[in-house]
Amino acid sequence: EAEVAQSPRYKITEKSQAVAFWCDPISGHATLYWYRQILGQGPELLVQFQDESVVDDSQLPKDRFSAERLKGVDSTLKIQPAELGDSAMYLCASSHGTVEAYNEQFFGPGTRLTVL
Amino acid sequence: KNQVEQSPQSLIILEGKNCTLQCNYTVSPFSNLRWYKQDTGRGPVSLTIMTFSENTKSNGRYTATLDADTKQSSLHITASQLSDSASYICVVSARGNKLVFGAGTILRVKS
Repeated sequence: EAEVAQSPRYKITEKSQAVAFWCDPISGHATLYWYRQILGQGPELLVQFQDESVVDDSQLPKDRFSAERLKGVDSTLKIQPAELGDSAMYLCASSHGTVEAYNEQFFGPGTRLTVL
Repeated sequence: KNQVEQSPQSLIILEGKNCTLQCNYTVSPFSNLRWYKQDTGRGPVSLTIMTFSENTKSNGRYTATLDADTKQSSLHITASQLSDSASYICVVSARGNKLVFGAGTILRVKS
């Protein structure tokens, strides 16, 4: 069964360092999402791609976060510099179409980031 | 403001018992409602998706209900198993392609 792949699964870094997360969506899924989930809370959307284009990055802290999906397939989320408050689970998800169109969203296993 | 509220925040039940989780939402305009199961340290996995015209949808021992008039949904788990221990997240999709997530209900099934 096809799955969303993410790496690394765990990342420990010191504040002010740069970190990067990678996501490979299910083959053929045009829509890709990056979420941040703080312990005890639901996921919060950071950025949504439709193919290689950003369609929603309104909640992305653009002073330190960046995301790209250059060829419309896999994606990278970067944080530079990392801050203590960035400690969270970073989830990637993909769907064949948009969630409004009743398309199911598949999540990856996530990357657990700890900033010391 | 679009919000999804879930109750209870956490729940402990004995193996074999049934339980019901609640979800109230104020998302508008409504498109569809989803329930996800999230095991500790893993990504959420979809259980059900319902549009406004669907009142009930089942997936094995999981049954979700939706009352679009009162903007309430519930997830009923029958004959609980230890493997049901997880966080259950209610998610409402608004037209315009927005997903609004609840904070989840943490369920623990004890033997």
